[in-house]
Amino acid sequence: GDSVTQMEGPVTLSEEAFLTINCTYTATGYPSLFWYVQYPGEGLQLLLKATKADDKGSNKGFEATYRKETTSFHLEKGSVQVSDSAVYFCALTVGTGTASKLTFGTGTRLQVTL
Amino acid sequence: GAVVSQHPSWVICKSGTSVKIECRSLDFQATTMFWYRQFPKQSLMLMATSNEGSKATYEQGVEKDKFLINHASLTLSTLTVTSAHPEDSSFYICSARDYREDGYTFGSGTRLTVV
Repeated sequence: GDSVTQMEGPVTLSEEAFLTINCTYTATGYPSLFWYVQYPGEGLQLLLKATKADDKGSNKGFEATYRKETTSFHLEKGSVQVSDSAVYFCALTVGTGTASKLTFGTGTRLQVTL
Repeated sequence: GAVVSQHPSWVICKSGTSVKIECRSLDFQATTMFWYRQFPKQSLMLMATSNEGSKATYEQGVEKDKFLINHASLTLSTLTVTSAHPEDSSFYICSARDYREDGYTFGSGTRLTVV
């Protein structure tokens, strides 16, 4: 079956530090890949996505590149801010129908300190 | 962009009562919606897929009679937790897929506390 593996957190960084959150996947078909962010007490927000190999998703300074050869979609940001503190979920879906399900990783909590 | 409204955002109920959570797609039609449950500091667990005009598809291990799902229109799905007990306390989140954006939009979640 489909699965997503994320690095365990929490990840604690100082403001302006470089962030990497690793994500690898296994999929039965050709997946689309996503990163979602969840702020405390809220639902999930789409951060970025990539739908085919070598695509780079980017948003708000975050980037992730779809690497088919390594089945990875690592999230990076060059300089984190305190406001980036949240839980980050890597996810995939296979297929394009509206009934296609998202498969989530376990989430990685990021804590950024001054 | 696509917006999914979920309410209530939090609810406290007594053990043995039922609670209804609503999930609405505000600017698009959602033939399929998804209901998730999230335990503290854990990932989202898909409970069921809600299909407009037909029965929901439940994931393995989810009690159909406990978590009633109704998707009566293209913009509204409801989850009713029946005869709630403290172990049902959790954060429940709905989502829908919008064809226009080729992505999934999530509601803001409902914190259920059963006392």
